[in-house]
Amino acid sequence: EVQLVESGGGLVQPGGSLRLSCAASGFTVSSNYMSWVRQAPGKGLEWVSVIYSGGSTYYADSVKGRFTISRDNSKNTLYLQMNSLRAEDTAVYYCARARGGSYWYYWGQGTLVTVSS
Amino acid sequence: EIVLTQSPATLSLSPGERATLSCRASQSVSSYLAWYQQKPGQAPRLLIYDASNRATGIPARFSGSGSGTDFTLTISSLEPEDFAVYYCQQRSNWPPAYTFGQGTKLEIK
Repeated sequence: EVQLVESGGGLVQPGGSLRLSCAASGFTVSSNYMSWVRQAPGKGLEWVSVIYSGGSTYYADSVKGRFTISRDNSKNTLYLQMNSLRAEDTAVYYCARARGGSYWYYWGQGTLVTVSS
Repeated sequence: EIVLTQSPATLSLSPGERATLSCRASQSVSSYLAWYQQKPGQAPRLLIYDASNRATGIPARFSGSGSGTDFTLTISSLEPEDFAVYYCQQRSNWPPAYTFGQGTKLEIK
């Protein structure tokens, strides 16, 4: 059974850093397209970043230069390193696994990041 | 950057009625469009991919159509569990990016 479990969310001050983790089971992270998608309170879905099976990474303009997506193959875990956090980064962050490379079929339950002083 | 615009923002219908949700792309996305359903406190669920293919386990009352810039999600006869927010999504080839529409809230009338 495919499972994605996010962790690492919490309260952080503006300008601070946080690292999110997404522990996967039932499949191999490094063989799949994996992404982070976020949702600000009461708002819609916003794609954040993707890492392809070949290792290429891409980011939304809103986080480029501040966030870094990575994976640890030995732990079968996806990460999102978030630096220089802003209030507008406050959201529930979901990790997701693609189906067919273009769509997000499996999702975690999300982890809440709150950026506030 | 491709922008997806969903309409209406809110749709008020009764169980048993037919729901028609629209998603318009600012430029052609061919048939590379998906629909998701999201209920409060839950992660999104993939319903439709490649514009018209139902994902595994999705009931036949959900159907998708369209190509190019205009797409439709139809729920043929609403069940109580269908009241939720629906999002469309596409992928841009270069640079790779994944765009969601702003969502349509389907509420009970």
